Amino acid sequence: NAGVTQTPKFQVLKTGQSMTLQCAQDMNHNSMYWYRQDPGMGLRLIYYSASEGTTDKGEVPNGYNVSRLNKREFSLRLESAAPSQTSVYFCASRKTGSFYGYTFGSGTRLTVV
Amino acid sequence: GQQLNQSPQSMFIQEGEDVSMNCTSSSIFNTWLWYKQDPGEGPVLLIALYKAGELTSNGRLTAQFGITRKDSFLNISASIPSDVGIYFCAGQLRDSNYQLIWGAGTKLIIKP
Repeated sequence: NAGVTQTPKFQVLKTGQSMTLQCAQDMNHNSMYWYRQDPGMGLRLIYYSASEGTTDKGEVPNGYNVSRLNKREFSLRLESAAPSQTSVYFCASRKTGSFYGYTFGSGTRLTVV
Repeated sequence: GQQLNQSPQSMFIQEGEDVSMNCTSSSIFNTWLWYKQDPGEGPVLLIALYKAGELTSNGRLTAQFGITRKDSFLNISASIPSDVGIYFCAGQLRDSNYQLIWGAGTKLIIKP
């Protein structure tokens, strides 16, 4: 099993460009999450999807949109990238009713110049 | 937003030493989780705590859920080089839907 797969691993964008971060899980998990991680700070939730067909805002949703394409895939889109969005982005998925199945991808390091 | 205060921010220790770190908050949590993150990877769950006062071990790691439900600590005994990394606490607030609040992390460095 691959677990949670994120692409790309690294990306450099110019201010104002758009891009989509991809996430896929093969564990049949219902819930999926997008976090950002900045130096000296804990993970902050951007958006989550409790189940296929639903999405909700987290702590820091401004400047982002998400799509739960199907049960496996949950993408994060930056419509007009800003330097403040320079961060490491993590996707995670969770088995319903358990934290032990809360699995993270290896992250996408995004730099906006 | 909600805050978890995690300390220390970093630790420099000798191999074989015991390590202790903790997280505190003014909020009440239903669940405390401890994760480890290696460079270039996502966090990996080490221990989950579900009841106030609960003490749980995972090999050389021991974690406790504080009686007040506002704090938790993690101990690592007899540290080894592969313990190096960043340790995060995360808590699920009472009445939240599995949403986690994260500490800022404790970076563990082993002195040669």
